[in-house]
Amino acid sequence: DGGITQSPKYLFRKEGQNVTLSCEQNLNHDAMYWYRQDPGQGLRLIYYSQIVNDFQKGDIAEGYSVSREKKESFPLTVTSAQKNPTAFYLCASTGEDRNNSPLHFGNGTRLTVT
Amino acid sequence: GEDVEQSLFLSVREGDSSVINCTYTDSSSTYLYWYKQEPGAGLQLLTYIFSNMDMKQDQRLTVLLNKKDKHLSLRIADTQTGDSAIYFCAEKRHSSASKIIFGSGTRLSIRP
Repeated sequence: DGGITQSPKYLFRKEGQNVTLSCEQNLNHDAMYWYRQDPGQGLRLIYYSQIVNDFQKGDIAEGYSVSREKKESFPLTVTSAQKNPTAFYLCASTGEDRNNSPLHFGNGTRLTVT
Repeated sequence: GEDVEQSLFLSVREGDSSVINCTYTDSSSTYLYWYKQEPGAGLQLLTYIFSNMDMKQDQRLTVLLNKKDKHLSLRIADTQTGDSAIYFCAEKRHSSASKIIFGSGTRLSIRP
């Protein structure tokens, strides 16, 4: 079945360490996105990529980095520069017909930094 | 402002209808979406409406769009315990086709 896979589901790190969250899709979608979700808040866009080897900053990109070396994969690195990294991270993708293509989401990774 | 706004909580009795409301600000929005999020999971697309429509019905779900007032609603008929979740309204703006703006979500709880 086609879908978006995020791993791991839960991730624990010590403060000061970088950590990379995985996102893989087999939907053949061009565009991929990373969102951050905090309790009682909507989703905030971190980074997005419309095509391989290209990506743009979203609204809260500081302290994060991404790469898009393959169409299927869009890993997110949470660096030690991110002041408040504990959150629920959601990866999403959209198809070629972006005008009428809603976001398809993975099941998220909950990151806890202590 | 640029916000998509929703009330944070809604409680309904099992079997009643639930109506979740949303307001948005960008008159150039092309599509408006409703997503459902169950605990610990990602967002699942429930339904969407194109901005030139004013109503869309899909089984127990009815979406109403008042473009003049920039108001969107989701009605769930015969609400069941399995409908307990957070519901997000989202808009795709013509000015930025790659970005979809989300509301803060409405937590729907069902009482017996």
